[in-house]
Amino acid sequence: RKEVEQDPGPFNVPEGATVAFNCTYSNSASQSFFWYRQDCRKEPKLLMSVYSSGNEDGRFTAQLNRASQYISLLIRDSKLSDSATYLCAVNSHPGANNLFFGTGTRLTVIP
Amino acid sequence: EAGVAQSPRYKIIEKRQSVAFWCNPISGHATLYWYQQILGQGPKLLIQFQNNGVVDDSQLPKDRFSAERLKGVDSTLKIQPAKLEDSAVYLCASSLEEREQYFGPGTRLTVT
Repeated sequence: RKEVEQDPGPFNVPEGATVAFNCTYSNSASQSFFWYRQDCRKEPKLLMSVYSSGNEDGRFTAQLNRASQYISLLIRDSKLSDSATYLCAVNSHPGANNLFFGTGTRLTVIP
Repeated sequence: EAGVAQSPRYKIIEKRQSVAFWCNPISGHATLYWYQQILGQGPKLLIQFQNNGVVDDSQLPKDRFSAERLKGVDSTLKIQPAKLEDSAVYLCASSLEEREQYFGPGTRLTVT
């Protein structure tokens, strides 16, 4: 089983739609969770850290479900500029900062 | 604040040749990472440094890949000899201790 798994998509949604991505992880002891955004031929950029209590940044909400071992990212009121690949990342074990990344979920927001 | 710097941005070599990549992390970041990202996949950690010591190199193919961070700042990653399957983007990232990682623009390597 892979350490981190994501649905690769693609997700094609109209502008203004709400879209959600999930990412499952295999190590129940993992403690650090992140969402990165990667534009075509660019480096990953940190979008959000994911906290146990969940966190929100504008139109973006991240949640952690430890019982089911998944993290989620919700994007409300999608903009054309949200089109990108969204990567989830999970640390390998407690106290370690090396990350396992999912393959990414491709999002295209359509006018 | 300047981000993570990497060079070169692009490199094309023939198989069995050698190649080296350079990374300068964000100022003050003690932890430096090298990742390999193959097309269509997420980044895969190759090696992690804390200052000039190796923390994790379990996924580094040591028969052909080597990395160093001699003075605890800049780092180089070398491949010798290169194989076709090494074609990928090599990303360097840095972080303050065990915090969020910030990536450089990457080096796109093509092995022909």
